[in-house]
Amino acid sequence: DTGVSQDPRHKITKRGQNVTFRCDPISEHNRLYWYRQTLGQGPEFLTYFQNEAQLEKSRLLSDRFSAERPKGSFSTLEIQRTEQGDSAMYLCASSADEKLFFGSGTQLSVL
Amino acid sequence: SQKIEQNSEALNIQEGKTATLTCNYTNYSPAYLQWYRQDPGRGPVFLLLIRENEKEKRKERLKVTFDTTLKQSLFHITASQPADSATYLCALDSKGFYMLTFGGGTRLMVKP
Repeated sequence: DTGVSQDPRHKITKRGQNVTFRCDPISEHNRLYWYRQTLGQGPEFLTYFQNEAQLEKSRLLSDRFSAERPKGSFSTLEIQRTEQGDSAMYLCASSADEKLFFGSGTQLSVL
Repeated sequence: SQKIEQNSEALNIQEGKTATLTCNYTNYSPAYLQWYRQDPGRGPVFLLLIRENEKEKRKERLKVTFDTTLKQSLFHITASQPADSATYLCALDSKGFYMLTFGGGTRLMVKP
């Protein structure tokens, strides 16, 4: 399978814990995006990388959220001190042009 | 403020009919508009892209129109099938850096 891969698919955590999600993009894609989606809503943009450079991070929801893309390959999204309001689907997408290719997402539940 | 509006109510149609979904936007000057399909528990899947200088785009049973004066796009599925049942999202670029902003989506239900 050469699509966008996200791990884990599901994560259950307790409030206050840190969580990290991983995204492996399509190998020839230089752009990588993170979105968050809550039930009944469209995906909400969080941050974006071109190769290893994070070009837009002002939409990250708070300073508890951070993302990295070392060496321009896979990416990680970390949420520190999780809150119940962080419960959502976290989607990663990659692209080589205007079209985005999404992974299946990581469903986060914060208890 | 910038807004992308899609009908939040589900659209129910009979198999074989044409489904028409609407996307309206304000305070955007997009270079292009895209439509995606999303099934439950899955990520969105790209369907069509239409640029600001294009009025209409077709792909098989799908047709998209883009009216930059009305700030509206219409998405049509002809000869709809139950397998077309899904949520359809429109998305606009912003800042010109390939950053897409999505509407809330419209759920389509095609009944046999």
